[in-house]
Amino acid sequence: GAVVSQHPSWVICKSGTSVKIECRSLDFQATTMFWYRQFPKQSLMLMATSNEGSKATYEQGVEKDKFLINHASLTLSTLTVTSAHPEDSSFYICSARDLAGEAYNEQFFGPGTRLTVL
Amino acid sequence: GQQVMQIPQYQHVQEGEDFTTYCNSSTTLSNIQWYKQRPGGHPVFLIQLVKSGEVKKQKRLTFQFGEAKKNSSLHITATQTTDVGTYFCAGRNNQGGKLIFGQGTELSVKP
Repeated sequence: GAVVSQHPSWVICKSGTSVKIECRSLDFQATTMFWYRQFPKQSLMLMATSNEGSKATYEQGVEKDKFLINHASLTLSTLTVTSAHPEDSSFYICSARDLAGEAYNEQFFGPGTRLTVL
Repeated sequence: GQQVMQIPQYQHVQEGEDFTTYCNSSTTLSNIQWYKQRPGGHPVFLIQLVKSGEVKKQKRLTFQFGEAKKNSSLHITATQTTDVGTYFCAGRNNQGGKLIFGQGTELSVKP
């Protein structure tokens, strides 16, 4: 089955530093990858949609200069949280849509990255 | 914007009891998906419903998509402790293709 990996699985950083999270589709090509954020006991909130080779589309209220997204290939997207602050602490989850499964529209989720900013 | 509402937020049941979570969209959906997230884990795809009035079954789980394609439900018969987790519905509207998640229903099962 389709597998999406994320790295790192957890990270602790000091306030003001930047953190990069990688999302990879391991056995399929993903034209589109999505980045979600989930606070404890809450739902997944879509942050941005990332298309390979083009600029990401950010949801309303998400600062594009703070959450930098790069989708350099059909199997890799990165999210960089710049100048992280404690309020950025959250569970970040990426999701990828299978190129071959466009008609089916299934999205496969990565295991998530738990970010804690001290 | 599009909203997907899900109720209840929490459900505590005795093992063997049934469980249902309901999902309602403010707009007509092209399809709806259901996910299960175990504590500490990530969402895992369960099923997708596309057709108006569609009903699909997976063992003890029954998924329904409303005739108007604006609501959906997930029913679990005779819950087991392995059913514990948060169940999310996620709808995709006819424009843009974004998957909008409901708030989720956290199910706990008492043995």
